[in-house]
Amino acid sequence: KQEVTQIPAALSVPEGENLVLNCSFTDSAIYNLQWFRQDPGKGLTSLLLIQSSQREQTSGRLNASLDKSSGRSTLYIAASQPGDSATYLCAVGLSTSGTYKYIFGTGTRLKVLA
Amino acid sequence: DAGVTQSPTHLIKTRGQQVTLRCSPKSGHDTVSWYQQALGQGPQFIFQYYEEEERQRGNFPDRFSGHQFPNYSSELNVNALLLGDSALYLCASSLGRAKNIQYFGAGTRLSVL
Repeated sequence: KQEVTQIPAALSVPEGENLVLNCSFTDSAIYNLQWFRQDPGKGLTSLLLIQSSQREQTSGRLNASLDKSSGRSTLYIAASQPGDSATYLCAVGLSTSGTYKYIFGTGTRLKVLA
Repeated sequence: DAGVTQSPTHLIKTRGQQVTLRCSPKSGHDTVSWYQQALGQGPQFIFQYYEEEERQRGNFPDRFSGHQFPNYSSELNVNALLLGDSALYLCASSLGRAKNIQYFGAGTRLSVL
C-alpha cells in the first residue's frame, strides 16, 4: 500500500531564507509526483509536476526533485516571502486497475515571517 | 476556458441528513474523481467516474455514492451524515482514466452539526 509522508509537519522561517520541504513515498511504482499549494480553506493550486522519468522541475523560485529509487522528493523554495505562507502538499500519481489517482501526504504548513 | 467548478461552496447539515455536491469538469475532460480532505489531513480518494460508471473506489462506505451525467458533470451523495463527514470535498477532472494530470476545483466545505 502506497504511503506518502511529509516532513516537517510545520515550519516557520524568517523572510528571505531558502528552505526545503521533504516528501517520501513507500512504493516507487509511480507515474509522477506533484506538489500543490493550499491556502487556508481553499482548494489546491498545482505548483510543479515531475514525471517518473524526470529528475527535477523548476518554476521561478521553486525547484522540485524526484528520486524514485529512494522514494523521495524535495521542494526547494528560494528567497522565501510572506506570500509563500501556505500548506504544501505532495501527491504521487499511480494507476491501479486502470484508474489513475493521487495519494497525498498530510502536508507541510509553512509560515514565512516578515 | 472554465476550469473545474464545484457547488455549493459551503454547506451546513445535521447528523443523519443527506447531501449532494456537484462538479462540472474542465472543458474537454471526461473523467471526474472525488477526494475528501479532513481538517489537517491530505485529500483522500473517494471514487472516480468515467463513462457514467464508478471505476474505482477508495476506502469509503456505501453511504458515499455518486453519479456522472452524459455531459460528464458529476454528483457526490452522502447519506446518513456523521460528524466525521465534515471536510472539504474536492473534485478533480481529467481526460481519460489513465495517467493524466487531474485538475482540481476549489472544493465544497461541508460542516455536519
